[in-house]
Amino acid sequence: DQQVKQNSPSLSVQEGRISILNCDYTNSMFDYFLWYKKYPAEGPTFLISISSIKDKNEDGRFTVFLNKSAKHLSLHIVPSQPGDSAVYFCAASGTSGSRLTFGEGTQLTVNP
Amino acid sequence: DTEVTQTPKHLVMGMTNKKSLKCEQHMGHRAMYWYKQKAKKPPELMFVYSYEKLSINESVPSRFSPECPNSSLLNLHLHALQPEDSALYLCASSQVGGGAYEQYFGPGTRLTVT
Repeated sequence: DQQVKQNSPSLSVQEGRISILNCDYTNSMFDYFLWYKKYPAEGPTFLISISSIKDKNEDGRFTVFLNKSAKHLSLHIVPSQPGDSAVYFCAASGTSGSRLTFGEGTQLTVNP
Repeated sequence: DTEVTQTPKHLVMGMTNKKSLKCEQHMGHRAMYWYKQKAKKPPELMFVYSYEKLSINESVPSRFSPECPNSSLLNLHLHALQPEDSALYLCASSQVGGGAYEQYFGPGTRLTVT
């Protein structure tokens, strides 16, 4: 049972445009959500997180939106840059935070 | 400083060898984690240490043996591995207590079992 789903395995956008990566979850006990970026042969890099008490969190070019009723979150990257090309993982945890449940990842390619 | 270091970066071992992976963090985090990641898959949790005590073992085979000598160090001892254990092994750390916190990952050890 996949509790965190990223339905798009890949996404391609032009440099300077907006990238929107989506994530859905099924477990109502999740209340903390994170996005990680991963380059090949490296560990995941933490990007941004959001608590369930918020519906938006912004950090520079990255904004995460949370729709609790739809159990959906999205990551917006504006403007997209070629260096953003990587695999993006959505992750979720409950209040203890000890166990992160990851989605399958979305490969983002930003074309110059 | 949000750095987690891991050594070695690459490791090739035979099925009868014994080797160890090492992880270190100096962020004052009291939770440390081992994950396994196969190509094009998300990281899979193996072990969690909280305040140097093993708190979660995700039914990992006994040929993987974790150890947390102190609050900054985490080891993973490997013995009699199988070729299917070849993967990227990731260490992570985070704060503990009072809620959920982001985990910071190291660069990983690329393990090949021959």
